[in-house]
Amino acid sequence: DADVTQTPRNRITKTGKRIMLECSQTKGHDRMYWYRQDPGLGLRLIYYSFDVKDINKGEISDGYSVSRQAQAKFSLSLESAIPNQTALYFCATRDVTDTQYFGPGTRLTVL
Amino acid sequence: GQQLNQSPQSMFIQEGEDVSMNCTSSSIFNTWLWYKQDPGEGPVLLIALYKAGELTSNGRLTAQFGITRKDSFLNISASIPSDVGIYFCAGQLRIQGAQKLVFGQGTRLTINP
Repeated sequence: DADVTQTPRNRITKTGKRIMLECSQTKGHDRMYWYRQDPGLGLRLIYYSFDVKDINKGEISDGYSVSRQAQAKFSLSLESAIPNQTALYFCATRDVTDTQYFGPGTRLTVL
Repeated sequence: GQQLNQSPQSMFIQEGEDVSMNCTSSSIFNTWLWYKQDPGEGPVLLIALYKAGELTSNGRLTAQFGITRKDSFLNISASIPSDVGIYFCAGQLRIQGAQKLVFGQGTRLTINP
């Protein structure tokens, strides 16, 4: 069983729609992250959370919001999706040695 | 801001050849990490480096943490078809009390059988 799971794996939506990407982990890690991957740009951090009550903005948080519902769950929302948010989104956790573990990714297309 | 320059951006090699890629930065990092990403999957950690000068191997992979702490390289020896994928370096540094991870742009490796 995968330690970090993401749903959905693929999503196509229209401009202006609200969409939520979900992430769950069974690793028991306090720290969770949302990244966005675009071709040629590597991974860029959107939001991160050190525990249920600690949410922090990353370098590209505009247009996104997050919710840490429990230690194991960290969801990413696009309140009003726009085409330039079309990308591959990754959730990750980090252990006490600062090693990150990534989920399989969600491919989002905004038309 | 902190940036990592990863090169080459892509490589096309023959099976059995050795591969070398590197990341450089003007910033000093306290940890270097190398990931591999297969199509449709998330990055998977290959090697973690925690000390300047450290040389670490994982099977056919070898990575080094540069002495200046501003660079790192990854070598793959005797490449095989399953080495195909995108390789990312990531450097970690502490900014305002928090650990920040910065990713390179990736090196796409293609292997001709």
